[in-house]
Amino acid sequence: NAGVTQTPKFQVLKTGQSMTLQCAQDMNHNSMYWYRQDPGMGLRLIYYSASEGTTDKGEVPNGYNVSRLNKREFSLRLESAAPSQTSVYFCASSEALGRTKAFFGQGTRLTVV
Amino acid sequence: AQSVTQLGSHVSVSEGALVLLRCNYSSSVPPYLFWYVQYPNQGLQLLLKYTTGATLVKGINGFEAEFKKSETSFHLTKPSAHMSDAAEYFCAVSVTGANSKLTFGKGITLSVRP
Repeated sequence: NAGVTQTPKFQVLKTGQSMTLQCAQDMNHNSMYWYRQDPGMGLRLIYYSASEGTTDKGEVPNGYNVSRLNKREFSLRLESAAPSQTSVYFCASSEALGRTKAFFGQGTRLTVV
Repeated sequence: AQSVTQLGSHVSVSEGALVLLRCNYSSSVPPYLFWYVQYPNQGLQLLLKYTTGATLVKGINGFEAEFKKSETSFHLTKPSAHMSDAAEYFCAVSVTGANSKLTFGKGITLSVRP
């Protein structure tokens, strides 16, 4: 069972470069999320998609864009990377918003220099 | 909007001792409450959740938590710590509704001393 798969696992970017983090889930979940994890800050929601065809901003959306490509895939794009975006990024999915269990990917460790 | 507070960033216990990790929530409507665990260099895994019904919830690895509405708390406990419990623990809250999403606390690192 693959669950939630994120690529890449590690990435180093120069300031101003762009990149896309990929996420795919094989559990037929409706809802998908992107979080960033920083020391002492817990997990903060960047964007989420309640269902295929919809996306909404979370707590810290500035500097990011997302695409819900289909029910399986939810990508996160950094258009012009900044050192403040150095973080560990997690994709997650759940059957629906609210009461259902979320499944997490292994994370992408991004460093912007 | 809902939120959770996890006081302190680090808890250290001896192997075999009681584990108590505190979580308080804020929500204007009945909440759904979760505890997740993160082992080093891994994603998060669900330990347990409270949605409705019984307020004492049992999870994996011997953990349990009690929902106390009067205290707006959902503290995580385990009677006897094991070395393998060393990890980071996150409390999270969501609510019912079309636009609900999971909101996490800052996390608590649990260390277990031999």
